[in-house]
Order: sequence, then C-alpha cells, then structure tokens
Amino acid sequence: DAGVTQSPTHLIKTRGQQVTLRCSPKSGHDTVSWYQQALGQGPQFIFQYYEEEERQRGNFPDRFSGHQFPNYSSELNVNALLLGDSALYLCASSLGRDSGNTIYFGEGSWLTVV
Amino acid sequence: GNSVTQMEGPVTLSEEAFLTINCTYTATGYPSLFWYVQYPGEGLQLLLKATKADDKGSNKGFEATYRKETTSFHLEKGSVQVSDSAVYFCALTRYGGATNKLIFGTGTLLAVQP
Repeated sequence: DAGVTQSPTHLIKTRGQQVTLRCSPKSGHDTVSWYQQALGQGPQFIFQYYEEEERQRGNFPDRFSGHQFPNYSSELNVNALLLGDSALYLCASSLGRDSGNTIYFGEGSWLTVV
Repeated sequence: GNSVTQMEGPVTLSEEAFLTINCTYTATGYPSLFWYVQYPGEGLQLLLKATKADDKGSNKGFEATYRKETTSFHLEKGSVQVSDSAVYFCALTRYGGATNKLIFGTGTLLAVQP
C-alpha cells in the first residue's frame, strides 16, 4: 500500500519564478492538505482540498494556489517566488475531514529559492 | 485561538534513560491530539494519537495520555534508544472544524547518546 508520495523531492528556483509541486495521497484517501515547514519550525497549514475544492486556507498569500484532481491527487503552485519561500513543503492526506482521522504525510519537497 | 506549546529543546539523554517531552494545548471544544516524529531529512511520521479525554495513545514504546483537566498530552518513553533521536512534534486538530487541519507546536529535538 503506497503511502503519500510527493514530487519532486528537491528543487532550486530563482526569485520571481513559479513552481509546481505534486502529491498523490495514500490509497483510498480523498482529502489532501499542504503544509510549509521552514527550517527549525513546525509545519504551517497552507490549505486543504476535498472534493476538488479548497476548503480552508491558512495565512498564506494568493501567490500560493492549488488544485485537486478527480483521482484525489493534488498540486501546489507558488508564483513570484521569494527567498522566504524556501522550505520543506509537505503534503498530507486523510480519509475525510473529521478531527480524529489519522493524517499521513509524504516525505516532502525541498524548495530552495536563490 | 487554538495553539500547542512544547518544551524547548534540545533534549539530550543517554541510552536507556526515561523520556518526557511536555506538551500543552489551548483549544475550544474537544480537540484530537497527535505526536509526530521527524527523522533527519525526512517527512513526518505519525507516532500516536488520542481523540478524547483520558485516552492513551501508544506506539513503539512511546505513550501519551490526553489530560483535559491540565490540557496536556505529554510524551513518555521508559527507555530511549539512539534510533529515537529525532524531532518530535505535538499537534492538534479542532473538533467540529471545517477541516482537520493540524496545528503544530514548534518541535522538540531529542538527541540520544550511546
């Protein structure tokens, strides 16, 4: 049973560029969330997708956008990259959105903006 | 608002020592509580969870009890190993929210010496 898979694992971008990160949820999971983890910090919630719609957004600017596809996979897009966007981006999935549901994380995508 | 506070790290222990990592939370209603572990260079792995008061989560020798009266969820292990060296995150999800977004503490680095 494949867990949450993310791609790419590492990437380097230049300020002002755009990046797309991809996530396949754990088999059977329909809910995908994205988190940003800066070095030495805890993960911060970016947004969550369920039934192909954004259900909640954290305190992130509109430069951060996403999409969920009919097969439940998801993309995170970041436009006009800033140096401060350098972080580990984590995708998480669960079956449904109940607070007690187990949430699984992928290995993450390390983004470096230079 | 909802928040999680963890004890400051790093915590340095000798192998076979007893471990406690303190975690307290602020939340409305009845949150679910989680401990995640992050090994160097990796994503987050769920260690254990508890979804209601007095529940005890346990896994791999680690355990934590959901204490509503003290709003705490302290992580304990009776005898740590070098392989337990990692960053440990306490987190919650809010009951009845629009999503099951996780709110994390800042993490506690554990270093176990042989």
